[in-house]
Amino acid sequence: DTAVSQTPKYLVTQMGNDKSIKCEQNLGHDTMYWYKQDSKKFLKIMFSYNNKELIINETVPNRFSPKSPDKAHLNLHINSLELGDSAVYFCASSPGRQSTGELFFGEGSRLTVL
Amino acid sequence: AQSVTQLDSQVPVFEEAPVELRCNYSSSVSVYLFWYVQYPNQGLQLLLKYLSGSTLVESINGFEAEFNKSQTSFHLRKPSVHISDTAEYFCAARPLHYQKVTFGTGTKLQVIP
Repeated sequence: DTAVSQTPKYLVTQMGNDKSIKCEQNLGHDTMYWYKQDSKKFLKIMFSYNNKELIINETVPNRFSPKSPDKAHLNLHINSLELGDSAVYFCASSPGRQSTGELFFGEGSRLTVL
Repeated sequence: AQSVTQLDSQVPVFEEAPVELRCNYSSSVSVYLFWYVQYPNQGLQLLLKYLSGSTLVESINGFEAEFNKSQTSFHLRKPSVHISDTAEYFCAARPLHYQKVTFGTGTKLQVIP
């Protein structure tokens, strides 16, 4: 069983469209994250939820909206896609506030905006 | 706020030679330190971590890293690399009381046959 799974794995779309990426973890963790990895492999945190509560919200355009329906799921919706949104988006989870912060990553969702 | 610096973007090394990947961090509070590995088209996987105690930590596949508080470094080493070690390596830091993990810019290890 995959611990952290993301769908879709690949996403090709036109500028201006709206798209969503879904993430689910079956590790029983309390905390989930979205990271963006650009073409130079630089990893930047976008959001984090702890048990459905938003705890980290970095400087991200408000076209990006995370949603956590329960602690096992964290989705990312992107409105009005731009060329610069092309990247690999990684979902990750960790046990929670009292943990050492080890992250468990999904395999990534490669978004290409044309 | 903390920052993590990996000065080497690429490190080519011959198979069976030793390697060191450098990592320096900056933080106003105590941090946990990590090394993650990313193989092509995959997510990141934890390689090893320093939490407290012994400053030398080891992974199951022969890598080790040493925490040096005075030099604020956490360099990764392996005495003899294999082709299968070819990957991107990320150093990361997390404050003890805050869940934000900050990553360095990564070092691509290229093992040459």
